Amino acid sequence: AQSVTQPDIHITVSEGASLELRCNYSYGATPYLFWYVQSPGQGLQLLLKYFSGDTLVQGIKGFEAEFKRSQSSFNLRKPSVHWSDAAEYFCAGENSGGSNYKLTFGKGTLLTVNP
Amino acid sequence: DGGITQSPKYLFRKEGQNVTLSCEQNLNHDAMYWYRQDPGQGLRLIYYSQIVNDFQKGDIAEGYSVSREKKESFPLTVTSAQKNPTAFYLCASSSSLAGADTQYFGPGTRLTVL
Repeated sequence: AQSVTQPDIHITVSEGASLELRCNYSYGATPYLFWYVQSPGQGLQLLLKYFSGDTLVQGIKGFEAEFKRSQSSFNLRKPSVHWSDAAEYFCAGENSGGSNYKLTFGKGTLLTVNP
Repeated sequence: DGGITQSPKYLFRKEGQNVTLSCEQNLNHDAMYWYRQDPGQGLRLIYYSQIVNDFQKGDIAEGYSVSREKKESFPLTVTSAQKNPTAFYLCASSSSLAGADTQYFGPGTRLTVL
């Protein structure tokens, strides 16, 4: 079955430190992959997406993600975290072919930023 | 400004009552979706619609119903048959159902059953 897994439920980092949030996927073929961010009580905002081509994807707010086929991963990174980055982050995947629509979300990683 | 609006932001209902959540978009998108979010569970798809007058069940459609009479509107009714309706509900839209079309989300409605 198709799935997206975020192994870390909660991560705490200090402001200014680097960040990496993990995402693993299980699909028959290379899926479309997305990272969304959600502030408390708000909707989801798209940070970046991967469809094909360059495996390093740049997004908004200084985030980037790297697609690694050999590891079935699509980890989100940021070189220096700001207090405003505290939020919940969701990785999502979708089949890149076929007519059956299905966007599958991971369960999210809650990011806490210490001053 | 183009976007998705959901109303109300907070909703309280008594057990046994049906309640309807509103979702409106002015992005001229064909596809619309409803998700349910529970703590630690990510988002689960309730219903989706590709075009007007057409909609499909998602993974957890039991106890919910939808309509799509207008392109910009996709209301969700939580019926009394839904066993555990307390949750955060998110509406989304995209240009089409194609995977290359990004889904954009509304601000959500928090439903609490008393």
